[in-house]
Amino acid sequence: DTQLTQSPPSLSASVGDRVSITCRASQNIDRFLNWYQVQPGKAPRVLIYAASTLASGIPSRFSGRGSRTDYSLIISDLQPEDSAIYFCQQSYSEPSFGSGTRVEIK
Amino acid sequence: QVQLQESGPGLVKPSETLTLKCTVSGGPISGHDWSWIRQSPGKPLEWIGHRYSTGSTTYNPSLESRVSFGVDTSEKWFSLRLNSVTAADTAIYYCARWQTGTVADWYFPLWGRGTRVTVSS
Repeated sequence: DTQLTQSPPSLSASVGDRVSITCRASQNIDRFLNWYQVQPGKAPRVLIYAASTLASGIPSRFSGRGSRTDYSLIISDLQPEDSAIYFCQQSYSEPSFGSGTRVEIK
Repeated sequence: QVQLQESGPGLVKPSETLTLKCTVSGGPISGHDWSWIRQSPGKPLEWIGHRYSTGSTTYNPSLESRVSFGVDTSEKWFSLRLNSVTAADTAIYYCARWQTGTVADWYFPLWGRGTRVTVSS
């Protein structure tokens, strides 16, 4: 099994800030790493797949980077509508998920 | 656009069988791979399994002995059956489409909103 350690569990930032969420895998997952956003009452949606590819329709302020075991999701120019829970997911082995990061707008 | 909608009983008694349905609208079921995922209170999301367009399935080893998937392409839904449920199966259950590509682009591009299931007598 591949374990994903996601941090921080929560963060609070202001509109316009740049925030970063990290995801560390227990083994090399070779960029098989995806990021999702969940908002109350909505279906989860994919933001980034294959570590750094922006999913269709996702604003360019979202970006992803990383390789081997260490990955990050960056939200530049944070907007009020970005208040959500974000989680990572690996597909190198049977799918597993990070524990999530709650992003709050100050 | 394609939308997924989970439906189910909401409350199930211990030892009974949970059956959930995922209705697909705006697009075909055939030709795609489908998955079930759940999130128990206070825990990360947990992958339950995939049903591939070929009809084959892959299940999470921790649930494999109790879970099965079904599909009705004419009615455009696919299902999850989980038997001998316990309180540990209390969770929000999501259906999702599974997509595999040529490089590292293996991910869940579409999800339903989830349906809450409580196991309690």
